[in-house]
Amino acid sequence: GAGVSQSPSNKVTEKGKDVELRCDPISGHTALYWYRQSLGQGLEFLIYFQGNSAPDKSGLPSDRFSAERTGGSVSTLTIQRTQQEDSAVYLCASSFTGGDTYEQYFGPGTRLTVT
Amino acid sequence: GQQVMQIPQYQHVQEGEDFTTYCNSSTTLSNIQWYKQRPGGHPVFLIQLVKSGEVKKQKRLTFQFGEAKKNSSLHITATQTTDVGTYFCAGRSNYQLIWGAGTKLIIKP
Repeated sequence: GAGVSQSPSNKVTEKGKDVELRCDPISGHTALYWYRQSLGQGLEFLIYFQGNSAPDKSGLPSDRFSAERTGGSVSTLTIQRTQQEDSAVYLCASSFTGGDTYEQYFGPGTRLTVT
Repeated sequence: GQQVMQIPQYQHVQEGEDFTTYCNSSTTLSNIQWYKQRPGGHPVFLIQLVKSGEVKKQKRLTFQFGEAKKNSSLHITATQTTDVGTYFCAGRSNYQLIWGAGTKLIIKP
């Protein structure tokens, strides 16, 4: 079956522009996570969705960042008025919460470069 | 807040030498997961440990979960070039995984 997909794979944008990143989780996975990874660094948690609701938005770095999930499936992460420090790889992961493992399946990421 | 500390940040080894990474949590974990991220890739799930004192093996990889469920380790015996990458531990707390910073395994040329 299909894994987690993300689009675009690469995005170059000018400082001050808005960007939208998309994540398609594995079908049936109710949990969805967004992370940010700067070059050579670990994973920075941004937001978690259970279904369409986001019980934990604590990782969003500023009010320029927002995310939504519709139909319990596709999620979009929006960054308004991008800054150079937003440059990173944005990773999406999904997991099935009905079993024992809750392992997270990651997408290939979107590499965002703000010039 | 809850933290998972992972050391070392980097480990340089000769091919054939062993490699170990350690994770330590500030709180008791319900379980701990390990992921591997190849250069340029995304994290891929390796294993989950649930029970106190649990030890699991996958070929040359040995994973341990401490008796107090606060620490864990990954040991690779006789490293190969295919082992290169960053190894992350992630401790489960409710719905969320608390991630360690990762240990990068580098094979010396």
